[in-house]
Amino acid sequence: DARVTQTPRHKVTEMGQEVTMRCQPILGHNTVFWYRQTMMQGLELLAYFRNRAPLDDSGMPKDRFSAEMPDATLATLKIQPSEPRDSAVYFCASALFRDRAYNEQFFGPGTRLTVL
Amino acid sequence: RKEVEQDPGPFNVPEGATVAFNCTYSNSASQSFFWYRQDCRKEPKLLMSVYSSGNEDGRFTAQLNRASQYISLLIRDSKLSDSATYLCVVNLLSGAAGNKLTFGGGTRVLVKP
Repeated sequence: DARVTQTPRHKVTEMGQEVTMRCQPILGHNTVFWYRQTMMQGLELLAYFRNRAPLDDSGMPKDRFSAEMPDATLATLKIQPSEPRDSAVYFCASALFRDRAYNEQFFGPGTRLTVL
Repeated sequence: RKEVEQDPGPFNVPEGATVAFNCTYSNSASQSFFWYRQDCRKEPKLLMSVYSSGNEDGRFTAQLNRASQYISLLIRDSKLSDSATYLCVVNLLSGAAGNKLTFGGGTRVLVKP
């Protein structure tokens, strides 16, 4: 049963610390998305990659957030330095984009981040 | 105006009743549409795609109205287990950024005995 995995599932850290979240997309999917979800803002797209290349990271605060895909099996989202307002659930999702359309987008279980 | 908008609810629904809600989108060039379901403290999961001709999956019916730029979801014979947040997703070809999937804020449905 193929699924997207994310680590860690929970992270509590102090303001100013670096946070790295990892995602393993479903094998064969060529598009990876990073979302942030809060009660106030809902689900926000931070960035997404196609074939490991960043396509759009306009939703991401550039000064402290960075997203990379070092290889096809790993996507990372890093926050440095972290701030209390970054507290949220961060979801990774993957999908297969083909013939100008997506198939189903599969979400990982999320990383619940709390910055004190 | 947000690209994809939903009534946040909650829609309080008696068990066995029918509930319907819409999702409006601002860009007429939007190409494909989906409904996702999200349970509390869980990840969103695909409920159904929305086709131009409308489609049905058991108790769930999705419709697309391109002229008025909205999609709808109807749930018949509501079950307690249908309580969740329903997110609509719109796929828009977005220039250099390629195809972009945009989520609405979600509609919360509470089915009560």
